[in-house]
Amino acid sequence: KQEVTQIPAALSVPEGENLVLNCSFTDSAIYNLQWFRQDPGKGLTSLLLIQSSQREQTSGRLNASLDKSSGRSTLYIAASQPGDSATYLCAALGSGGSNYKLTFGKGTLLTVNP
Amino acid sequence: ETGVTQSPTHLIKTRGQQVTLRCSSQSGHNTVSWYQQALGQGPQFIFQYYREEENGRGNFPPRFSGLQFPNYSSELNVNALELDDSALYLCASSDLSGETQYFGPGTRLLVL
Repeated sequence: KQEVTQIPAALSVPEGENLVLNCSFTDSAIYNLQWFRQDPGKGLTSLLLIQSSQREQTSGRLNASLDKSSGRSTLYIAASQPGDSATYLCAALGSGGSNYKLTFGKGTLLTVNP
Repeated sequence: ETGVTQSPTHLIKTRGQQVTLRCSSQSGHNTVSWYQQALGQGPQFIFQYYREEENGRGNFPPRFSGLQFPNYSSELNVNALELDDSALYLCASSDLSGETQYFGPGTRLLVL
């Protein structure tokens, strides 16, 4: 059974700081690893998706890496801004037999202070 | 191309009642998955529908059921509501490869 863990559970940083969010998963047989952003009371916004054959993906100030062998992914946010404040979720896509399902971590609550 | 939509956005029910949540897939997608997100938790997989058949289920009791229609839209039905069913319910549609799931905005259910 896949289990996804995110560390830290919460993080507070001053504006402009670079930061790293961590995600670990127990079953390396994944198809991809996806990072989402969730604002309070809202749905999920997809940030980055890394295929199992890839090592990293970049979008603007965001960079996500994937190390399947160690069961780890990191999300790097450069030059953080108050608008980056949100909960960040990682999710591993695995096969439950005939279907694909995402297994999520509990998220990291990020607060960027002006 | 329209994205995934869900209705209603918010819903309040009382314990023991039944509820139906709706989801419209993104154009061209034939697979729909439903997830439950309790407060402070990550989303949990409920079940998936492919071509109108259930195609995998998470650890949820039978009072959680679903339907998928020929146009690939979907419903999630929950019978005998319990207080712990209060959550954000998310649906996601995917294309034939099934590897990328696109999420709707969710329906927030409150059970009193």
